[in-house]
Amino acid sequence: GAVVSQHPSWVICKSGTSVKIECRSLDFQATTMFWYRQFPKQSLMLMATSNEGSKATYEQGVEKDKFLINHASLTLSTLTVTSAHPEDSSFYICSARDPKRAPLAGELFFGEGSRLTVL
Amino acid sequence: GIQVEQSPPDLILQEGANSTLRCNFSDSVNNLQWFHQNPWGQLINLFYIPSGTKQNGRLSATTVATERYSLLYISSSQTTDSGVYFCAAGYNQGGKLIFGQGTELSVKP
Repeated sequence: GAVVSQHPSWVICKSGTSVKIECRSLDFQATTMFWYRQFPKQSLMLMATSNEGSKATYEQGVEKDKFLINHASLTLSTLTVTSAHPEDSSFYICSARDPKRAPLAGELFFGEGSRLTVL
Repeated sequence: GIQVEQSPPDLILQEGANSTLRCNFSDSVNNLQWFHQNPWGQLINLFYIPSGTKQNGRLSATTVATERYSLLYISSSQTTDSGVYFCAAGYNQGGKLIFGQGTELSVKP
């Protein structure tokens, strides 16, 4: 399958600081990537759709000024949690599709996830 | 938007038993996937199955899109099958996926 990689795998930061998480498609180009968040014992909730070369589309209730998304190339999307607070502590996971995997082009692949702890 | 419901929420099995996990969705979908989330949080792709039936070893899945449900079958369960199973559905092949709440499976030796 298509390989999606995230960095860092885990990060601890102080309240008020900003943290950047990278999501890369390693063996394919992705014009669209999806960012999800998962709290303990809960399901994955879609935060935003990252679009290469244009603005991200945020889901209702997700603060776009707090969760900055940049999709500057076809293989890299970044999520920056600005002025992080303890309630932002969560597991952040990105995903993407390889459009060349027809007829399975619709299959979404996920990165390893990034566990953020805000002290 | 799409609502995705999974049942049961929890399932405890003895090793070797079979099980069926169900996923209902509220609208017509053209994209449906099953995942297994391991203890480290990694989502493992099990099936991409907008319709029809697929099998992979001890696992198989069936989606009946017209009736808005999908089933995941696990046969001869093993302790390594433990974890959370998610289904996720979407309106189109290139769009977002909405996740169900998951089924937490525990297989006892």
